[in-house]
Amino acid sequence: GAGVSQTPSNKVTEKGKYVELRCDPISGHTALYWYRQSLGQGPEFLIYFQGTGAADDSGLPNDRFFAVRPEGSVSTLKIQRTERGDSAVYLCASSLRGLSEAFFGQGTRLTVV
Amino acid sequence: QQQVKQSPQSLIVQKGGISIINCAYENTAFDYFPWYQQFPGKGPALLIAIRPDVSEKKEGRFTISFNKSAKQFSLHIMDSQPGDSATYFCAGRCYNAGNNRKLIWGLGTSLAVNP
Repeated sequence: GAGVSQTPSNKVTEKGKYVELRCDPISGHTALYWYRQSLGQGPEFLIYFQGTGAADDSGLPNDRFFAVRPEGSVSTLKIQRTERGDSAVYLCASSLRGLSEAFFGQGTRLTVV
Repeated sequence: QQQVKQSPQSLIVQKGGISIINCAYENTAFDYFPWYQQFPGKGPALLIAIRPDVSEKKEGRFTISFNKSAKQFSLHIMDSQPGDSATYFCAGRCYNAGNNRKLIWGLGTSLAVNP
């Protein structure tokens, strides 16, 4: 695609439920990042993929959060037993290499009620 | 720990005026300082960026001024236009394990340019 695509654009879920957020990066981009942006805040790093592997997952807040990128392209961020504090916009970005400009998707707004 | 401090939180400027947003950082390992522009409901988009060996970079109406010794950098928007109304984020890029060049972001500045 022309840009980074994230689906769904909005997700409302009940506390305790499981959710999956999808990111389709720019074709050919090997580096993929997930960030989380809370209201009135800058994005916070969650996890970085280089190819299929999670090269740095130090930003994941706890073991309820997990992400995969099995074929080195599409990535899925998975959140188990969602809590109200997980409500935020989840941003995905990709870049051609780690050093080049990162292009962001429009984000998925997650609301846990 | 907030490693990039951004001010002001919000800014109102008249059309044609100069918008100035300031950032200060603590991490000397940052190797790249981008500014992002974000419109409501959209993801951040790179506006302009600078490396620490350069003191100023200009692209059209947008200029970054960088003071390495003071660990400060600022964005100047000349001839501000209503279409510039958005939230602006400064960031620093640092190297981490696994060749991760993650960005550390400021809290953002909401800019409103009045017509």
